[in-house]
Amino acid sequence: AQSVTQPDIHITVSEGASLELRCNYSYGATPYLFWYVQSPGQGLQLLLKYFSGDTLVQGIKGFEAEFKRSQSSFNLRKPSVHWSDAAEYFCAVDPRTLGRLYFGRGTQLTVWP
Amino acid sequence: NAGVTQTPKFQVLKTGQSMTLQCAQDMNHNSMYWYRQDPGMGLRLIYYSASEGTTDKGEVPNGYNVSRLNKREFSLRLESAAPSQTSVYFCASSDGSGRGYEQYFGPGTRLTVT
Repeated sequence: AQSVTQPDIHITVSEGASLELRCNYSYGATPYLFWYVQSPGQGLQLLLKYFSGDTLVQGIKGFEAEFKRSQSSFNLRKPSVHWSDAAEYFCAVDPRTLGRLYFGRGTQLTVWP
Repeated sequence: NAGVTQTPKFQVLKTGQSMTLQCAQDMNHNSMYWYRQDPGMGLRLIYYSASEGTTDKGEVPNGYNVSRLNKREFSLRLESAAPSQTSVYFCASSDGSGRGYEQYFGPGTRLTVT
């Protein structure tokens, strides 16, 4: 079945530590890939997206993500987390043929001071 | 430029009541979407409209109807609300569909059905 998997429901890191949030997908062809962030009580904001080309993409707020075709993964990274990064993060996939996004279940990030 | 706006922000309904959630965008986008967000479930697509005059079902359409009133506005109607429809509802818009365009989200409507 086609799906988007975020295996970590909740991650806790200390401020200044590095961060990696995992995302795996199962779709036939390489889809368009997105990471969104949701602060409490807010809508979703796009962090970054991958369409084609360079497999390492840069986003806003110092985030980056790497597309790995062989692993069907699109993991989000940040070298040094700030307390303001505490939020819920969603990976989303556009399979290119269906005209819509499919979201993972989200990863809640807690940042310790 | 307000982006995507939704009304109301909060709503409490009794089982069996009806209501319409309103969404408008001022970015001249072709495509609009309605999602619901439940804890641990991510966002699930209810209905979408790829262009003015068209609507299609998403993953969880049962119990909902939509109207693409014009290019700017896309409403979601609950004809007979049920407790299972307690959720946060998000409207989104994008410049196209099936082509990897970014979706822009509204602030959400928190709906409780008692």
